[in-house]
Amino acid sequence: EDQVTQSPEALRLQEGESSSLNCSYTVSGLRGLFWYRQDPGKGPEFLFTLYSAGEEKEKERLKATLTKKESFLHITAPKPEDSATYLCAVLLPYTGANSKLTFGKGITLSVRP
Amino acid sequence: EPEVTQTPSHQVTQMGQEVILRCVPISNHLYFYWYRQILGQKVEFLVSFYNNEISEKSEIFDDQFSVERPDGSNFTLKIRSTKLEDSAMYFCASSGSGIYGYTFGSGTRLTVV
Repeated sequence: EDQVTQSPEALRLQEGESSSLNCSYTVSGLRGLFWYRQDPGKGPEFLFTLYSAGEEKEKERLKATLTKKESFLHITAPKPEDSATYLCAVLLPYTGANSKLTFGKGITLSVRP
Repeated sequence: EPEVTQTPSHQVTQMGQEVILRCVPISNHLYFYWYRQILGQKVEFLVSFYNNEISEKSEIFDDQFSVERPDGSNFTLKIRSTKLEDSAMYFCASSGSGIYGYTFGSGTRLTVV
């Protein structure tokens, strides 16, 4: 069973059309939830880490929020350069030195001018 | 901004050959990881390395794989006898305390022919 589910799989927006990307998770005792941006053929680029329900973080046009079951990445007035795949990953409950991330499949965002 | 550096960016190898993928993690980080992403699929955890030993490995990381930190700055992933299904993007990552500063490199695209 997938522990991290992202929706929708793909999203096409018009420039300036705000929207939200969803990441739901089924683990308890979450240590952290990460959002990354990935451009084609590149590595994941760090955006945010959220640690507890109710936490919010912002960076430019992006705002990430966290509840006990899901996280949202809100994109306000997106621009074509925001087009990328957005990855969500969770850090599972602590078991020794384990700090592996479990990723969702990603959401491919396309913003049309 | 500190970054994780990976070389080469692209490697083509024949099936059965050995390959070594190289990474220079962020200098004051203590935790090191390898992940892979098969085209069109999720980013998957392979192995974590801390205090000069493997702290966790996935079921993908079988006897064909090994990791090493030979000189205090480099971190390598070796695949002894490559298979066609090893073709993927391989990402190195490092973090400061297991959670903080979890940074990925830009990846090595491995193509096995």
